[in-house]
Amino acid sequence: EVQLVESGGGLVQPGRSLRLSCAASGFTFDDYAMHWVRQAPGKGLEWVSGISWNSGSIGYADSVKGRFTISRDNAKNSLYLQMNSLRAEDTALYYCVKDSRMTITADYSHFDYWGQGTLVTVSS
Amino acid sequence: QTVVTQEPSLSVSPGGTVTLTCGLSSGSVSTTYYPSWYQQTPGQAPRTLIYSTSTRSSGVPERFSGSILGNKAALTITGAQADDDSDYYCVLYMLGGIRVFGTGTKVTVL
Repeated sequence: EVQLVESGGGLVQPGRSLRLSCAASGFTFDDYAMHWVRQAPGKGLEWVSGISWNSGSIGYADSVKGRFTISRDNAKNSLYLQMNSLRAEDTALYYCVKDSRMTITADYSHFDYWGQGTLVTVSS
Repeated sequence: QTVVTQEPSLSVSPGGTVTLTCGLSSGSVSTTYYPSWYQQTPGQAPRTLIYSTSTRSSGVPERFSGSILGNKAALTITGAQADDDSDYYCVLYMLGGIRVFGTGTKVTVL
């Protein structure tokens, strides 16, 4: 059974940093691309970032580019999101999401499994 | 900046049919955007319904179908049931592997 368990969320002041983690199990982690998707309270879903199986292809939403860094450690079956210069508008539930393919640029790629999310609140 | 638009809300009677659409602020949606659809009920993580325009994900009932209608991607629920009362989001695949979510549609079954 595929399991994605996020951690690292919490309350942080504007301008500070936070690192999210996602522990993956139930599948061969280094065979698949991974993503972070967020959802602000009462709002819709927003794709944040994606990374290919070998970190060779990485993409970011314009809203986080230059502030957030996605990474993965295949030996630890883990995905990360380093969030710097946090803003109030980054407040959201952050989901770890598995891709159906190895690279984020593959044809027919889509999201197939979702974690339950970790809540990040940016407030003074 | 690319904006992917969906109807804010739609309603359908139990047993009825409803079609949700997913369009681009500029241009047409085609199969090369590999449109996918996700269902989210309150307090839950999203669930994958449809990918690559029209392929149902494992375990998804046949009453959910995907297509291209005109210049938009579409999700049709045929024979709506009470537990289809949810939010629905489309996702389009962009150049470089960037993904863009639609604005979401709240479907009410009443």
